[in-house]
Amino acid sequence: DAGVTQSPTHLIKTRGQHVTLRCSPISGHKSVSWYQQVLGQGPQFIFQYYEKEERGRGNFPDRFSARQFPNYSSELNVNALLLGDSALYLCASSFEGVNTEAFFGQGTRLTVV
Amino acid sequence: GNSVTQMEGPVTLSEEAFLTINCTYTATGYPSLFWYVQYPGEGLQLLLKATKADDKGSNKGFEATYRKETTSFHLEKGSVQVSDSAVYFCALNRRGGSNYKLTFGKGTLLTVNP
Repeated sequence: DAGVTQSPTHLIKTRGQHVTLRCSPISGHKSVSWYQQVLGQGPQFIFQYYEKEERGRGNFPDRFSARQFPNYSSELNVNALLLGDSALYLCASSFEGVNTEAFFGQGTRLTVV
Repeated sequence: GNSVTQMEGPVTLSEEAFLTINCTYTATGYPSLFWYVQYPGEGLQLLLKATKADDKGSNKGFEATYRKETTSFHLEKGSVQVSDSAVYFCALNRRGGSNYKLTFGKGTLLTVNP
C-alpha cells in the first residue's frame, strides 16, 4: 500500500511569492494534518482537516491556508512568502481519534530566498 | 497549554551502549504519548506509543513507560546500533476542541559510532 505522498519534494521560492504544497493520504484515512518543521526544531501543528472540514488551526498567520478535497487529498497554501517560512512541511494522515497513529509523508523542503 | 520537553542533544554513543532520552510533558487530562524517529532526509516514523498510565510501548528494542505521576515518557534501549542514528521526537496527542493534534518536543539527535 502506498504511504502518505507529498509533492513536490523540494521547492525554491522568492520572497513575496505564493506556494502550494500537496498531500495524498493513505487510502481509507480521512484526517489530514499539516506540520511545519524548522531546522533543528520539532514539527509545529498548522492545520487539521477531517472529512473536508477544518478541525483545527495552529498559531500561524492568515497567509497560511489549506483545504481538503473529496478524495481526502489536501493542499497547503502559503501567500506572501517570508524568509522565515523556509522549512520542511510535513503532511500526516490518520484515522480520527486521539490514540491513533499519524503516518507522515517525507515532506516538502521549502526554501525561500 | 500542552508542551513536551525532551533531553537536549546531541547524544553520541558507542555501539552496544545503553540509551536513555528523557521526555516530560505538560497536558490536561490524559494524553496519548508517542516517540517518533526521523532518519536523515526522511519524514517521521512512529517508533512506539502508550495510551494510558503505566502502559509500556516497545518496538525494535526501544521501550518507554507512561508515568503519570512524574509526567514522563523516557525512551530507553539496552544496546544501540549504528543504524539507530537519527533524531528522536517525543510527542503527545491531546484532543483540543474538535481536533486532535500532535505536540512535539524539539528532538534529540542520536549518533552511534561503531
